[in-house]
This record gives sequence, structure tokens and C-alpha cells, in this order.
Amino acid sequence: GAGVSQSPSNKVTEKGKDVELRCDPISGHTALYWYRQSLGQGLEFLIYFQGNSAPDKSGLPSDRFSAERTGGSVSTLTIQRTQQEDSAVYLCASSFKSGPYEQYFGPGTRLTVT
Amino acid sequence: GENVEQHPSTLSVQEGDSAVIKCTYSDSASNYFPWYKQELGKGPQLIIDIRSNVGEKKDQRIAVTLNKTAKHFSLHITETQPEDSAVYFCAATPDTGRRALTFGSGTRLQVQP
Repeated sequence: GAGVSQSPSNKVTEKGKDVELRCDPISGHTALYWYRQSLGQGLEFLIYFQGNSAPDKSGLPSDRFSAERTGGSVSTLTIQRTQQEDSAVYLCASSFKSGPYEQYFGPGTRLTVT
Repeated sequence: GENVEQHPSTLSVQEGDSAVIKCTYSDSASNYFPWYKQELGKGPQLIIDIRSNVGEKKDQRIAVTLNKTAKHFSLHITETQPEDSAVYFCAATPDTGRRALTFGSGTRLQVQP
């Protein structure tokens, strides 16, 4: 079946602009996670959704970052007033339900802030 | 919170040899330990996982072992092939509270033909 999809695959933006990154999870998966991977680094947790609510936003690095999920499916990560340090690969993962269940990752969106 | 350390950061082996990657974790509440393989330009791919109620799990050439007392777990790849070359990440998570995975820093495995 279809896996997790993300769009765009690449995004280049100027410092100070806002960007929106989209994630389509695997159909039927109720839990959705956003992670960030900086160049040559491991994965850093950003936010977790169970259905449309976000019980854990503790990984969002600043109030410039926000995310929402609608219809228990698609999620959008928004970064306002982008900074160069926001440049990274943003990865989305989904799992059948929350808890220690298998998380399946999308291909990521590579964000470059110039 | 959880902290996961992974070693080595790079590993080079000859084709056909075995490769072992080790991780330690800090939170005794962690009970799920997946391993991911990430190829260049792609998202991480789940290759094997283990839960705290078992000590070892095997899937063809890949095996994972878990020692809950010592809080460490390891990935073993036997009969390595060039297509095993990638970055491997371990991760850990508990079943309560924060449900996100905490990842190790990754191991770049290079299998020399």
C-alpha cells in the first residue's frame, strides 16, 4: 500500500519568509510525528499528534514553529519568519496508534533557508 | 528524559563479514527499541525492532539483542553485502508519556566489495 508522503521534496526559501510543509500519513494511522534531521545529525523530535490533537509539542524549537492536523489525516508544519538555522530535512512518520508501535517515515522535505 | 548513545559512528567491513552496532539508553521505562536504515536522500526505513519482553529477535541476516539490566541493545548484520551500506539509527521509547522515538546519533556502515 501507499506509504507516508511528504511535499514538497525540496524547498528553498529566503530568510524571513514563511513555509508550509505537508505530510500525508498511511491511511488508518492515527498517530503522526514530525522530526527534524540537521546535516549529518540524528533525528530530533518536534511534535506528536494523536488524531487531530497534539499531546506533545515539547520538541518545537520556538514559537515560530507550529503544526496542525485535520481530519485525522493530513498534517502541515508551518515555520514563520524562517532563519538559516531552520535549514534541515523535516521528516514525518505515522503509526497505527500511539505508544510503542512501529513508526513509518516519509521521504522528508529538505528545507534550505538562504 | 531519554538519552540514547550509539557506537561506532562509522564502521567499515569487508563484504561477507559481520557488523555490530551498539546502543545504550538511560530511561528504564523504555520498552520499545527499533532500528532504522537510512540511505542517501531517503527517509529512515524500519528494519527490525524488539520489545522489552524478549532478549533477541532475528530476521534473516539481521538480529537485535537487548539487555534490559545493562540498558543496552545491539544490531547484528551477518554476511554483509554492499547494499547494506547506509546510515543505521537505533531508537528507544517508553509506553507512557512522550510517545516519540529518541534516536541515537547514527552509524555510517560501509561494506567494501
